[in-house]
Order: sequence, then structure tokens, then C-alpha cells
Amino acid sequence: DIQMTQSPSSLAAYVGDRVTITCRASQVISSFLSWYQQIPGKAPKLLIYAASILQSGVPSRFSGSRSGTDFTLTISSLQPEDFAIYYCQQTYNTPHTFGGGTKVEIK
Amino acid sequence: EVQLVESGGGLVQPGGSLRLSCAASGFTFSNFWMSWVRQAPGKGLEWVANIRDNGNEENYVGSVEGRFTISRDNAKNSLHLQMNSLRADDTAIYYCTRYNYHDSLDSWGQGTLVTVSS
Repeated sequence: DIQMTQSPSSLAAYVGDRVTITCRASQVISSFLSWYQQIPGKAPKLLIYAASILQSGVPSRFSGSRSGTDFTLTISSLQPEDFAIYYCQQTYNTPHTFGGGTKVEIK
Repeated sequence: EVQLVESGGGLVQPGGSLRLSCAASGFTFSNFWMSWVRQAPGKGLEWVANIRDNGNEENYVGSVEGRFTISRDNAKNSLHLQMNSLRADDTAIYYCTRYNYHDSLDSWGQGTLVTVSS
């Protein structure tokens, strides 16, 4: 199975900060990488697919990038509604494994 | 509007069985791969299984292989997960999800809670 290693597991930031979350795949997954946001108590929501394509309706402060097997989710200016848990997921091979999650908290 | 509504969760004893269902609406169900994703209390997301749009291919995570069966009824716009030989570590919220054409999960239901306990 492909392992997805997400870092950090948690971070604290101020509103307006630039935040970066990283996900590393244990093998090549091309650009079959998605990012999701989960507000506690709610279902996850797709933010980014194909490593860098913004899902319709998602604010442009969210962006994704790829460098080999390393993937990055960036929030350019953190807003109050962005405090949540973020997950990456590979869909290159089944099982379509998720990263462990990154909890973004208010500083 | 895409809607996915799960049902069938509940409390079941270890070794028991449960069948989850997901009613889909707002899109042409037979055109999309579907999957189940679960989340144990206070834990992260775990992909469980998926099924091809025509129902001819299924894939499972190793921990459920041989115990769980994913199926679909395209005539009734419904997705199912038959869960047998349930264990305590199957306790989780189970989400019904839809794949978009880029292999991402673009729609999620609200989830149904399965609790395995004696």
C-alpha cells in the first residue's frame, strides 16, 4: 500500500498568516493527489484535486503544488473559517490512502 | 444538487453484521465510481472500498477484505456496504462518497455511525 506522510500533524497560526502543509507519498503517484478540509463534526470537503486544481467554489487563497512525490497545500492568508483539519489522499493505486491529517488551530 | 444520504448504522455486537445504504440523487448515478470512507472516533479518514460505475470492479482496504462487500443498484441509485464479522475496530462514521472524473472524492454524505460493542 502507498503510505501518505503528512506534516505537521498540527499547527497554530494567526488570521492572515500564510500556512503550508506537506504530504509525501511513499512511491510515485503522478498527480493523483487530493486535499480535503474537515470542520469537526462535518463531512470532509474537497479543496484541490490533481495536485493543483482548485475545486469549484473553493476560495483562491487555497493552492496546491507537486514536486516529485512531495505535495503542498498552501493557504495564502488564513481566515477564521479555515481553522479545520486537512487531509491529503492518493488515488493512484487502491487502497486510496489518506494522510494522517493536519489540524490547523488559532494562535 | 448532488445529495448522498446514508442509512443503516447502529449498534451491533462483535461478530455481527450490518448493511449500510446510500441513496444518491441530483446526478446520473450510473456514470460515477463510488466509495465508502470511514472515520473512527477522534481519528483520521480511512478509505474502505470503491466500486466501478457499472458495478463490475470492486476494491477494498486489506483490513476489511473478505468481511465487507460493496455493491450498487444503478436502477435504484443506491450504494451499499454489507459488513460481516464486525470487530470493535470497525467502529466509525461511514461516509458514502462519489468520485469525480479526476479520481477525487467530490461529494460526501453526512455519514452514518456504526458502533461495534457488546
